[in-house]
Amino acid sequence: QLQLEESGPGLVKPSETLSLTCTVSGGSISSLTHYWGWIRQAPGTGLEWIGSIYYTGSTNYNSSLKSRVTISVDTSKNQFSLKLTSVTAADSAVYFCARRVDLGGSLKFFDNWGQGALVTVSS
Amino acid sequence: DIQMTQSPSSLSASVGDRVTVTCRASQTISSYLNWYQQRPGKAPNFLIYAASTLQTGVPSRFSGSGSGTDFTLTITSLQPEDFATYYCQQSYSIPWTFGQGTKVEI
Repeated sequence: QLQLEESGPGLVKPSETLSLTCTVSGGSISSLTHYWGWIRQAPGTGLEWIGSIYYTGSTNYNSSLKSRVTISVDTSKNQFSLKLTSVTAADSAVYFCARRVDLGGSLKFFDNWGQGALVTVSS
Repeated sequence: DIQMTQSPSSLSASVGDRVTVTCRASQTISSYLNWYQQRPGKAPNFLIYAASTLQTGVPSRFSGSGSGTDFTLTITSLQPEDFATYYCQQSYSIPWTFGQGTKVEI
């Protein structure tokens, strides 16, 4: 059974870099039909897609965050990671990692999610 | 970016009720529309893809319909575990965007 688990600091200072890692177990991150993504949810609000990565390192980012976001993958550890630079209080959120299924064309969806990691930006 | 607008933002219902949630896209997205359920403090749970195809294991009381810009999620005979927030999400184009959510309350 596939499981995803986020890890990383729960508190980040303003202007610093938020770093989170998602460890995938019960399946291979090198799957040919899956991408891996990050989605965040600010307190009491909806969901915002941050970006996705394929095991080859190919990435897609949300243009609203693109200048500050880097997503990377480590196939040897079955992990992928998120870095968000120059954070502000507006970046405080629960960050979810998720597996994205691609069935062809625009037929894509996030079918497995981690439990989420709360990150607070505060001095 | 494609904006997804859900209505209502919240609704009150009782066990056994039939509930309908609407999702509207700011431009046509064909049938590239997914639905998720989120219980408080939990990760989203994937329900439906391609507007109307149920994910394996999702109860048949859930159904989805629509294409183009207008979509609906229907829950027939609401069960206690269905009280949650429901989100639509388009996969037609990047950035993939979600609706603001519809909270189904007792």
